Amino acid sequence: AQSVTQLGSHVSVSEGALVLLRCNYSSSVPPYLFWYVQYPNQGLQLLLKYTTGATLVKGINGFEAEFKKSETSFHLTKPSAHMSDAAEYFCAVSANTGFQKLVFGTGTRLLVSP
Amino acid sequence: EAGVAQSPRYKIIEKRQSVAFWCNPISGHATLYWYQQILGQGPKLLIQFQNNGVVDDSQLPKDRFSAERLKGVDSTLKIQPAKLEDSAVYLCASSLGTGGNTDTQYFGPGTRLTVL
Repeated sequence: AQSVTQLGSHVSVSEGALVLLRCNYSSSVPPYLFWYVQYPNQGLQLLLKYTTGATLVKGINGFEAEFKKSETSFHLTKPSAHMSDAAEYFCAVSANTGFQKLVFGTGTRLLVSP
Repeated sequence: EAGVAQSPRYKIIEKRQSVAFWCNPISGHATLYWYQQILGQGPKLLIQFQNNGVVDDSQLPKDRFSAERLKGVDSTLKIQPAKLEDSAVYLCASSLGTGGNTDTQYFGPGTRLTVL
């Protein structure tokens, strides 16, 4: 079985500051890991995903995440926050076999102040 | 390319009434998903179709929820009768279905259901 824990339901940063959103996973098999972003009244959009290969994954809008097996973590970072980054971010895990079944965390709302 | 379409966008009903949601996936996408997103929580998978066959419905409350995907394209999700705890956003997503579990899921804007 898979599960995801996102630490911090809300994260506040100033524009231009580092963004760090935390995600820890639990999986009985090697995981595939995903970060999605949700803007108000919109569906989820894939930011990036880790399946195999390089553990540092680069996504859209300047975001990246690093898969650390020893720490069971997949934290999302961005060097410099923009006002447009304000949204809800969801980490998700899926087993690496069979059909894709995403298990989502509870989400972290990112607030960006000028 | 058109995205995943859902209707209606908003629905308010009273408990014990029935309601149906419609989803039109991206053209050519074989896999279709329905998720329930309760306020303050992440989306939870209700049912997954591969073409018009059900792959996973283990978390679908089958005593009141039903879903179908006719001809492997559009899908409808129905709730009958609705309960207060069904208030949520219902998201539809689709994926190509050829990349196994590395596929990217594309989400629609969702239907916000309020049960009074």
